[in-house]
Amino acid sequence: GNSVTQMEGPVTLSEEAFLTINCTYTATGYPSLFWYVQYPGEGLQLLLKATKADDKGSNKGFEATYRKETTSFHLEKGSVQVSDSAVYFCALSDYQAGTALIFGKGTTLSVSS
Amino acid sequence: NAGVTQTPKFQVLKTGQSMTLQCAQDMNHEYMSWYRQDPGMGLRLIHYSVGAGITDQGEVPNGYNVSRSTTEDFPLRLLSAAPSQTSVYFCASAASVAGGGTDTQYFGPGTRLTVL
Repeated sequence: GNSVTQMEGPVTLSEEAFLTINCTYTATGYPSLFWYVQYPGEGLQLLLKATKADDKGSNKGFEATYRKETTSFHLEKGSVQVSDSAVYFCALSDYQAGTALIFGKGTTLSVSS
Repeated sequence: NAGVTQTPKFQVLKTGQSMTLQCAQDMNHEYMSWYRQDPGMGLRLIHYSVGAGITDQGEVPNGYNVSRSTTEDFPLRLLSAAPSQTSVYFCASAASVAGGGTDTQYFGPGTRLTVL
């Protein structure tokens, strides 16, 4: 079946550090891949997405590239800010398997000044 | 646009009580879904709907009922609350796309439910 695995947290960084959150997936078809972010006390917001292999999603300085050969969609940011502190969820949507999003367990990022 | 709205924001129930969590969207999205979020578990799908009159079960449907009489509303009913249903519940909606599947899902702010 389809599944998403992302690195365990929490991730603790200093401001302006480089961020990588690893995400790998298993899918029977050709999924779309997403990163969602959840700020404290709020719902989930779409951060970026990629719908086919080699696509790069980007938003707010964050990037992720859809790598079919390694079944990965790692999230990166070159210089994190305190305001990036949140929980980040990797997710996939496999149209052939249905329309539901399948989420990873989330990675908590804490950035200190 | 209000987007996806959920009520109430917080709720405390006693074991055995029933209640309905409300979800509404004003984006004319065909697809709506309910998730629960538990620590260390990510989000798990409870039920979803691909249009008015059509619902289906997700990964963890036991103890929950849904119906979809209109495009806008997708209430989640807890029939007889149990402490294991203590969680944060999120509703989401998305537009359908040609060929099947959905576009980006938009989430509501969540309902935090405690069952004593």
